[in-house]
Amino acid sequence: QKEVEQNSGPLSVPEGAIASLNCTYSDRGSQSFFWYRQYSGKSPELIMFIYSNGDKEDGRFTAQLNKASQYVSLLIRDSQPSDSATYLCAVDSPYGQNFVFGPGTRLSVLP
Amino acid sequence: EPEVTQTPSHQVTQMGQEVILRCVPISNHLYFYWYRQILGQKVEFLVSFYNNEISEKSEIFDDQFSVERPDGSNFTLKIRSTKLEDSAMYFCASSEEAGGDQKYFGPGTRLTVT
Repeated sequence: QKEVEQNSGPLSVPEGAIASLNCTYSDRGSQSFFWYRQYSGKSPELIMFIYSNGDKEDGRFTAQLNKASQYVSLLIRDSQPSDSATYLCAVDSPYGQNFVFGPGTRLSVLP
Repeated sequence: EPEVTQTPSHQVTQMGQEVILRCVPISNHLYFYWYRQILGQKVEFLVSFYNNEISEKSEIFDDQFSVERPDGSNFTLKIRSTKLEDSAMYFCASSEEAGGDQKYFGPGTRLTVT
C-alpha cells in the first residue's frame, strides 16, 4: 500500500516568516514529487515539482528532496496571508500513471 | 494560459440516477485522469486514460463508473447509478506525458447525491 504522509496542521506562522511543510512517502521507487496548493472548495494548483535529490527554488518557494530518507519538503519564504491554504504533497506511482496524494497540511499565515 | 475546464460546476442528483461529468483537457495533452475528493478527505485517483482506452484504474473505479472521449476535445466520467457515498468533488486532470509528468487539474464538479 503506497502511502504519503503529512502533518494535518493547522500550521500557523506570522506574516513574513518561513513556513516549512513536510511529507514522507513509503514507495522507494517513486521518482517524481509535487506540491499542490488547494484553497477551500477549489481544485489543486501545481506550485512546485522536484525529481532530483537536493533543493529546487522557484521564487518564494523551495522544494527539498531526500530520496534516501523518503522525505520531501516545501519551504515558503516571506509568507503572506494569501498563502493560507492546504498544501498537498503528491508522489508518482512508479508502476502506473497516477499520483498518490497526502492528506494535506493546512497553513494559516497570520497578518 | 491553457487550462482544463469542467462542466457543470455543481450537479445535484437523486440516488440511483445516472450522471455525466464533462471535462475539456489541455489541447496538447495526451493523458487524462479523474480524481475525486470527498469533503474533508484526501484526493483519490480514479482512472487514467490514454489513446482512447483506460490505462489504469483504482479500486474505487468499479462497474458503475465509465469514461469516454466522445470527440477530439471532451473527456467524460459517467456514474451509472449514483449512491449517497458518491457525493464528492470530481477533478479532471491532464498531462503531456505519462507517469511522473505534471498534472494540471480542472476546477472540479461538486456532485451531490440526495
